[in-house]
Amino acid sequence: SQTIHQWPATLVQPVGSPLSLECTVEGTSNPNLYWYRQAAGRGLQLLFYSVGIGQISSEVPQNLSASRPQDRQFILSSKKLLLSDSGFYLCAWSFSSFANTGELFFGEGSRLTVL
Amino acid sequence: AQSVSQHNHHVILSEAASLELGCNYSYGGTVNLFWYVQYPGQHLQLLLKYFSGDPLVKGIKGFEAEFIKSKFSFNLRKPSVQWSDTAEYFCAVIGVDSNYQLIWGAGTKLIIKP
Repeated sequence: SQTIHQWPATLVQPVGSPLSLECTVEGTSNPNLYWYRQAAGRGLQLLFYSVGIGQISSEVPQNLSASRPQDRQFILSSKKLLLSDSGFYLCAWSFSSFANTGELFFGEGSRLTVL
Repeated sequence: AQSVSQHNHHVILSEAASLELGCNYSYGGTVNLFWYVQYPGQHLQLLLKYFSGDPLVKGIKGFEAEFIKSKFSFNLRKPSVQWSDTAEYFCAVIGVDSNYQLIWGAGTKLIIKP
């Protein structure tokens, strides 16, 4: 069966420091991968998605970037964190036939606090 | 632009009460519709989905949702809630002729009093 792992679960970082959140998927190949930010009372905001190695689409211009160095690895990064980057970040995957299933499988999330 | 509206941000019910959570979307074309649920301390998971066919769809744990195209709605229902239904519920929509990205509602926090 497929599993998704996301880490770290919580992170407290000073303003201006770098960020790296990592997500890996096991038990499937060539998944679509996603980074979302979940804000209380505002639902989920898609930040990045990837349909293959090295292929990243950005939905919202911001201080963050994403990379997919391997088929089942998705990384969310920042060179210099801002206070406004604080939030709850979710990694998710779907089968490449997402258009036919519409189902996303989510990781446990990473709580980022920027001080 | 596409959008999804969930009418209530917080709902508090007693056990055995009936539940209906509202979801309306804004999109002119064909849509696929979803309800996701996040139980306390757990990750988001799919509750039910509608692609085509019978507009009344059934999901896990006794939940169902009805797609009413004329009202652009996909309300979630359960006849008798349990304490274990306490969770946050998200409605989401994909426009099938868009880029297939889910558009999410803001979520409804449901608290069931034992």
